[in-house]
Amino acid sequence: QKEVEQDPGPLSVPEGAIVSLNCTYSNSAFQYFMWYRQYSRKGPELLMYTYSSGNKEDGRFTAQVDKSSKYISLFIRDSQPSDSATYLCAMKGSASKIIFGSGTRLSIRP
Amino acid sequence: GAVVSQHPSWVICKSGTSVKIECRSLDFQATTMFWYRQFPKQSLMLMATSNEGSKATYEQGVEKDKFLINHASLTLSTLTVTSAHPEDSSFYICSARGGQGVYEQYFGPGTRLTVT
Repeated sequence: QKEVEQDPGPLSVPEGAIVSLNCTYSNSAFQYFMWYRQYSRKGPELLMYTYSSGNKEDGRFTAQVDKSSKYISLFIRDSQPSDSATYLCAMKGSASKIIFGSGTRLSIRP
Repeated sequence: GAVVSQHPSWVICKSGTSVKIECRSLDFQATTMFWYRQFPKQSLMLMATSNEGSKATYEQGVEKDKFLINHASLTLSTLTVTSAHPEDSSFYICSARGGQGVYEQYFGPGTRLTVT
C-alpha cells in the first residue's frame, strides 16, 4: 500500500463548477499537509499548506484535513480554465521527507 | 519571494556524455536542497537531499556515482548526470528549503533532459 493515494484522473469539469480533489494516507505521523499545482512541463507550485486537522481558505481554494480519517481535500470554487493543471497532494511528519501523491490531472472546460 | 531557478530548462545530449544542471535560490538562503525526477504523468520521485557544505543523502536505488550532487553554497546546488544513457531521459526538478522549522519547499521550473 502506498503511503499516499491520489486518484490520477483525469477530471474534467465545466467552468464555474466546484472541484473537489482528494488524497488518503496511511501514516498517522504525518502532520503537515500541502497542495501543489503543476502546469505541464513546469515545476510544482505550492498552493496551500495546513498543519494538523482543520480547514484553511485562500481565495477560491479551501484545504481540509481530517486526520481521524486520514483524508485531505482541496476545493476549488468558481473554477477557471487557468486552473487546468495537475494537482499534487503532499505530506510529511515532523522530521521526515515530503511524500507526494501521484497527482490528479484537472481540466476545466470553457 | 521564494523563487528557485534552474538552468538549463532543457538539454539534449549524446549517450555517454555528462550533463550538469544548476539550481539556485534567488531570494533566500537554502540550507537544504532536494533533487527530484519525474516521468511523464507520474509523481515526483526524490533522488537525493543535500545540505550546504555536506555530502548529499541519496534515496535507495539512486546511484550516487551517476548522479553527482554538489551543494556548494546556500544559494546553489548542482546535479551532474554522468555518462548519461537514454533511460536517464526525464524531467529533473530541484527544490529548496530555507532554515530550521521551515517545511515548505519551493520548486524550480525543472530541466528536461533528453539523451540520444
